[in-house]
Amino acid sequence: DAKTTQPPSMDCAEGRAANLPCNHSTISGNEYVYWYRQIHSQGPQYIIHGLKNNETNEMASLIITEDRKSSTLILPHATLRDTAVYYCIVRATDSWGKLQFGAGTQVVVTP
Amino acid sequence: NAGVTQTPKFRVLKTGQSMTLLCAQDMNHEYMYWYRQDPGMGLRLIHYSVGEGTTAKGEVPDGYNVSRLKKQNFLLGLESAAPSQTSVYFCASSYSNSGGAVEYFGPGTRLTVL
Repeated sequence: DAKTTQPPSMDCAEGRAANLPCNHSTISGNEYVYWYRQIHSQGPQYIIHGLKNNETNEMASLIITEDRKSSTLILPHATLRDTAVYYCIVRATDSWGKLQFGAGTQVVVTP
Repeated sequence: NAGVTQTPKFRVLKTGQSMTLLCAQDMNHEYMYWYRQDPGMGLRLIHYSVGEGTTAKGEVPDGYNVSRLKKQNFLLGLESAAPSQTSVYFCASSYSNSGGAVEYFGPGTRLTVL
């Protein structure tokens, strides 16, 4: 699976949008971009995933560049409960269970 | 819909003792997994199961055994606990379709081996 690069940390004001970047320049054609997060002392939580097109669900939006070498996770209205480590993961469709969590981005939402 | 639940939430063992961690999911997922997470480290896959009655080794299987007698349950056993097994254990389950697999995690079991 391709490797990803994320900033180690970022701050966001409560109520504002949080834009989390991720670089995955070696991504292959059959690899999806996944986002998970882990709130302190809790189990990882799935957020969203996509292949080529932008995706949106009740938690977030995922914007993937046309060349698929980078993506951005958008939390539209950050709350204090969104403080967590966010992981961008690239993996093929058949690599279930083989989640390779990198260092991720520590997001701190402040009042 | 409870998702993925784990029992117990906390446990302290002495070296050499045995215990079983229970994972249950109510989403009718075929795949289930056991991971461990050590401080400052990512998840490491211990064992996994692709269906009832089947199990397979993951990245760090030594010292652990698993069983999946029912589709909804996945048990992780430690036959003779060692201090190196002090960790947080997460169970997960997933579906997989043409749109990619999605894993759902339990809240974790914090195990300390003295």
